[in-house]
Amino acid sequence: NAGVTQTPKFQVLKTGQSMTLQCAQDMNHEYMSWYRQDPGMGLRLIHYSVGAGITDQGEVPNGYNVSRSTTEDFPLRLLSAAPSQTSVYFCASSPGQGYVSGNTIYFGEGSWLTVV
Amino acid sequence: GQNIDQPTEMTATEGAIVQINCTYQTSGFNGLFWYQQHAGEAPTFLSYNVLDGLEEKGRFSSFLSRSKGYSYLLLKELQMKDSASYLCAVRKGGGGSYIPTFGRGTSLIVHP
Repeated sequence: NAGVTQTPKFQVLKTGQSMTLQCAQDMNHEYMSWYRQDPGMGLRLIHYSVGAGITDQGEVPNGYNVSRSTTEDFPLRLLSAAPSQTSVYFCASSPGQGYVSGNTIYFGEGSWLTVV
Repeated sequence: GQNIDQPTEMTATEGAIVQINCTYQTSGFNGLFWYQQHAGEAPTFLSYNVLDGLEEKGRFSSFLSRSKGYSYLLLKELQMKDSASYLCAVRKGGGGSYIPTFGRGTSLIVHP
């Protein structure tokens, strides 16, 4: 059981380049989300999706796009990378509304992105 | 929105007990999570509280008071491997609000 898989693990970009962080989950989870984590800032929500075809903005959406064409995949696109987007990115998924034992958020291993 | 506050850093001695507090302000409440995150790794789930009271899981316990907007994570018999960041997260509930908001995390350093 792979859980949440995100790629690449490490990436260096030049300012102005675009790239896509891939995220896939094999647990048939409804909810998927992208967070960024910066020193001293905790996890901040970028975009999220509550099901295929549905996406919405989180706390820090500027400079990022997402789409959810399938239940499994939730890619994050950086349109024109900026040094301020240097961060660690985590993709996460969860079964959906409400909580039953074990219903929690599962995180990918993280993607370390540096924009120079 | 949601305001989540927790101490930035705490230190404790191996074998001791430590309590990490989390206070929150939110319109609507549908549960509070605690996660552990070691440096360079993804967060891992520790506990979930949605009703008032104490939830115990081995060496870790988590407490919630909804009326006070307050939770704590209690770690007993501290081990060196407990040195990590501990994240408090609150879920509002309703549509996209089921996606939790995280606090900034508390870095716990356990000394021998």
